[in-house]
Amino acid sequence: NAGVTQTPKFQVLKTGQSMTLQCAQDMNHEYMSWYRQDPGMGLRLIHYSVGAGITDQGEVPNGYNVSRSTTEDFPLRLLSAAPSQTSVYFCATQRDREDSPLHFGNGTRLTVT
Amino acid sequence: LAKTTQPISMDSYEGQEVNITCSHNNIATNDYITWYQQFPSQGPRFIIQGYKTKVTNEVASLFIPADRKSSTLSLPRVSLSDTAVYYCLGDGSNRLAFGKGNQVVVIP
Repeated sequence: NAGVTQTPKFQVLKTGQSMTLQCAQDMNHEYMSWYRQDPGMGLRLIHYSVGAGITDQGEVPNGYNVSRSTTEDFPLRLLSAAPSQTSVYFCATQRDREDSPLHFGNGTRLTVT
Repeated sequence: LAKTTQPISMDSYEGQEVNITCSHNNIATNDYITWYQQFPSQGPRFIIQGYKTKVTNEVASLFIPADRKSSTLSLPRVSLSDTAVYYCLGDGSNRLAFGKGNQVVVIP
């Protein structure tokens, strides 16, 4: 099993460009989340989903869109990239309860110039 | 939202036991306490989870006092490969409780 797979690993965008960060899991976990990690800031929740067709906002949702059409995939979309979105993005899954352990991907490092 | 607080950084020598304490001042009755480890350029990795008293696995021990207002992660006989950032979470939703973590540096 691959677990949680994030693509791409690295990306450079110009201000105003759009892109989608991909997250795929093969563990049949119901819960999926997106975090961003900035130096000295720990991890901050962007959006999350408790199942296919259900999404909700986290702590820092502005500038990001998500959808969850299947259990396996949870893409994160940047519609108009800004330098403030330069960060490392992590996708995570949980089995089926909010207290079950999080399983993280290895991240996407995004730079917006 | 329950928010955890941790110290920022600590150094330890190889072979020593390392104890990291976390405060859970606003933990709810049904919240679990969970610890994660993160190496550079990787996502956090689950280490251990508990509700009360003591939990032990092959990696670490977790001590939770009766009032559950704090928790202590214990890493026995650390090696250089234990150099990482350690996060404690003590919020029913887990996902909203990541703090800045505790950087542990193991020195030869």
